[in-house]
Amino acid sequence: KNEVEQSPQNLTAQEGEFITINCSYSVGISALHWLQQHPGGGIVSLFMLSSGKKKHGRLIATINIQEKHSSLHITASHPRDSAVYICADLIQAGNQFYFGTGTSLTVIP
Amino acid sequence: EAGVAQSPRYKIIEKRQSVAFWCNPISGHATLYWYQQILGQGPKLLIQFQNNGVVDDSQLPKDRFSAERLKGVDSTLKIQPAKLEDSAVYLCASSSPTANTGELFFGEGSRLTVL
Repeated sequence: KNEVEQSPQNLTAQEGEFITINCSYSVGISALHWLQQHPGGGIVSLFMLSSGKKKHGRLIATINIQEKHSSLHITASHPRDSAVYICADLIQAGNQFYFGTGTSLTVIP
Repeated sequence: EAGVAQSPRYKIIEKRQSVAFWCNPISGHATLYWYQQILGQGPKLLIQFQNNGVVDDSQLPKDRFSAERLKGVDSTLKIQPAKLEDSAVYLCASSSPTANTGELFFGEGSRLTVL
């Protein structure tokens, strides 16, 4: 069984700060997803990556396959970034996803 | 491109009543998932369909939960009878393994409150 762990569980930052959320998993995967869930909202896929690094606006996601670790970075954080960020890994065989418990981010103006 | 559609968005019922949730995945997506998300936790897989066949329902409480995807397109998740601990958001998601991207698309969710 794959275990997906995220840290920290809760994070409060001042607007403009650089934020890092970490995710580690225990078995080999096909891809890792970073998802965003706003309060009362649905879940939106931010990134899917299987190696290296991806960037979209102020968001950067990196993955180290050997270390089974991924990070999500937010540069110049803004209150609208306040949400729960969830990492999920994809085991290609069976197309199964395993989810972390999420990191609740609050960015204070 | 239309996203994953779910209904109803909100439902309040009393314990021991029944409820049904509907999901229409993105067109062409063969894989459909139902997740249960309790407040403060990550999504928990209830059932995974590949077309109209069940791939994984190991965490579905089969004494009260059932799901079907008869024509391999839309799906229904039913709870009968509901318990207080079933209060959660029920998320439907779909993906297209044939496209080999593995990207996962979620609906807005159906929030169930059991009183």
